This record gives sequence, C-alpha cells and structure tokens, in this order.
Amino acid sequence: DIQMTQSPSSLSASVGDRVTITCRASQSISSYLNWYQQKPGKAPKLLIYAASNLQSGVPSRFSGSGSGTDFTLTISSLQPEDFATYYCQQSYSTPRTFGQGTKLEIK
Amino acid sequence: EVQLVESGGALVQPGGSLRLSCAASGFTFSNYWMSWVRQAPGKGLEWVANIKQDGSEKYYVDSVKGRFTISRDNAKNSLYLQMNSLRAEDTAVYYCARAHYYYGSGIRTDAFDIWGQGTVVTVSS
Repeated sequence: DIQMTQSPSSLSASVGDRVTITCRASQSISSYLNWYQQKPGKAPKLLIYAASNLQSGVPSRFSGSGSGTDFTLTISSLQPEDFATYYCQQSYSTPRTFGQGTKLEIK
Repeated sequence: EVQLVESGGALVQPGGSLRLSCAASGFTFSNYWMSWVRQAPGKGLEWVANIKQDGSEKYYVDSVKGRFTISRDNAKNSLYLQMNSLRAEDTAVYYCARAHYYYGSGIRTDAFDIWGQGTVVTVSS
C-alpha cells in the first residue's frame, strides 16, 4: 500500500497569510494526487485533482503542485472560511490512501 | 441536485452486523465507480471499499476483507455496505463517495467529487 504523509500535522496562521501544506508519497505516484478540505461535522470537499487542477467552483487562491513523491497545496491569501483540515489522497493504486490530515487553525 | 444520502448507522455490539445504504440522486448512478470512506472519531479519512459501475469488480482495504461486502443496485440508484463481525475499531462515520474521472496534468485519474453527509456506526457493548 502507498503511504501518504502530510506535514505539518497542524498549522496556525492568520487571515491574509500564504500557507503551504506538504504531502509525500511512499513511492512515485506521478500526478495521481488529490486534495480535500474538511470542516468539522461535514463531509470532505474536493479542491484539487491530478496534483494541480482546480475543481470547479473552488476559489483560485487554492493551488496545487508537484509530481512523483512530493506535492504541495498552497493557499495564497487565507480567508476565514479556509480554516479547516486538509487531506491529500493518492489515486495511483488501490487501496486508495489518504494523508493523516493537516489542521489549519486561526492564530 | 446531485446528492448522496447514507442511512443505516447504529449502535451495535461487537461481533454484530449492520447494513449501510447510500441513495444517489441527480446523476446517472450506473456510470460511476462508488466508494465507502470512513472516519473514526477524531481521526483521518480511511478508504474502505469500492465497486465498479456494473458491480463486477470490488476492492477492499485489508482491515475489512472477509467481513465487509460492498454491493450496488443500479435500478434503485443505491449503494450498500454489509458489515459483519464488527469490531470496536470499526466505529466511525461512514461516507459514500462518487469517483469522478478527470483529465489533467497529462493523465486520466479519479477523485471523490460527491460525498454523502455520513452515517454513524458505533461498535460497543
């Protein structure tokens, strides 16, 4: 199984900050990497697919990059509604696996 | 409106069984791979199982193999998860999710674009 490791596990930031979350795969997964946002008590929401492609309706302040084993999710200017937990997920092989999550909190 | 609605979650004793359902609406259910994803209290997301459009292929995470069975009824636009021999570690919110195929970054891939609201399964005596 492919292991996905996110860093940091938690992050404190302020509105307007630029934030970067990292995801590393235990083996090369090309661009088969998706990012999700989850708010408390809610289902996850797809933000980015295929490493760098913005899902329809997602604000352009979200961006993704990377390929192979190292990936990043960047939020260019944090908004109040962006405080949530973020997960990466590989779609390269089954079982599909998620990172452990990065909780983004208000500083 | 494109929607997935789960039901069937409950409190069940260890060793017991439960059947979860997921009702799909607003899209052609039979065109999509479907998955179950779970989230233990205070923990991250764990993919559990998926099933091909016609039900001919099914895959499971190792921890549920032999205990859980995923199935679907395309005529009823419904996805199911039969859970047997339940353990305390199966306690979680269970989500059904649609796998949508995308083209991007030079590849064809899938991602979970539609999720249900989740149903709670608690395994405890």
